Amino acid sequence: NAGVMQNPRHLVRRRGQEARLRCSPMKGHSHVYWYRQLPEEGLKFMVYLQKENIIDESGMPKERFSAEFPKEGPSILRIQQVVRGDSAAYFCASSTTGELFFGEGSRLTVL
Amino acid sequence: GDSVTQMEGPVTLSEEACLTINCTYTATGYPSLFWYVQYPGEGLQLLLKATKADDKGSNKGFEATYRKETTSFHLEKGSVQVSDSAVYFCALSEDNQGGKLIFGQGTELSVKP
Repeated sequence: NAGVMQNPRHLVRRRGQEARLRCSPMKGHSHVYWYRQLPEEGLKFMVYLQKENIIDESGMPKERFSAEFPKEGPSILRIQQVVRGDSAAYFCASSTTGELFFGEGSRLTVL
Repeated sequence: GDSVTQMEGPVTLSEEACLTINCTYTATGYPSLFWYVQYPGEGLQLLLKATKADDKGSNKGFEATYRKETTSFHLEKGSVQVSDSAVYFCALSEDNQGGKLIFGQGTELSVKP
């Protein structure tokens, strides 16, 4: 049973470009969480999604960030018009109920 | 708001030494407490958890006891191995699903042969 798959593992963008990070949850998991880890900080909750629904987006920045988890396909975290402060590791986790299973993360670098 | 504070790393130990990584928390309610571990090149994995006061979580020789009176959840192991080298994250959750976690900043452990 494959684990949580995130891609790309590393992404480099210039300021003003868009970044798209993808997360395929474990088979049978319908809950997806996104976390962000800024340098020298712990992981911070961003958003919780179930299929086709955003359940809790209390940790998402109000502008430029969006997330979706469509009926088919992976969950996508989209960052528009990236700035240097968006440079971070973005982790996705999935669950049925209870234990979270994390992916290896996507490291975004904004030049 | 709720928060988690861990001791700063890196922590460097010799094989078979005792390990303690301190973790304290602040919470408005009665959270569940977790330790996650991240081995090099891998995602975070749940190491152990405790859901109420005085519960002890244990796994792979690691233990942590939920201490409500001191708001602590220190991670301990009696004899570490080189393979325990990793980053350890303490976390809490106030929701029943356990998915919305508040993490500490992580403590890097390096065990030398």
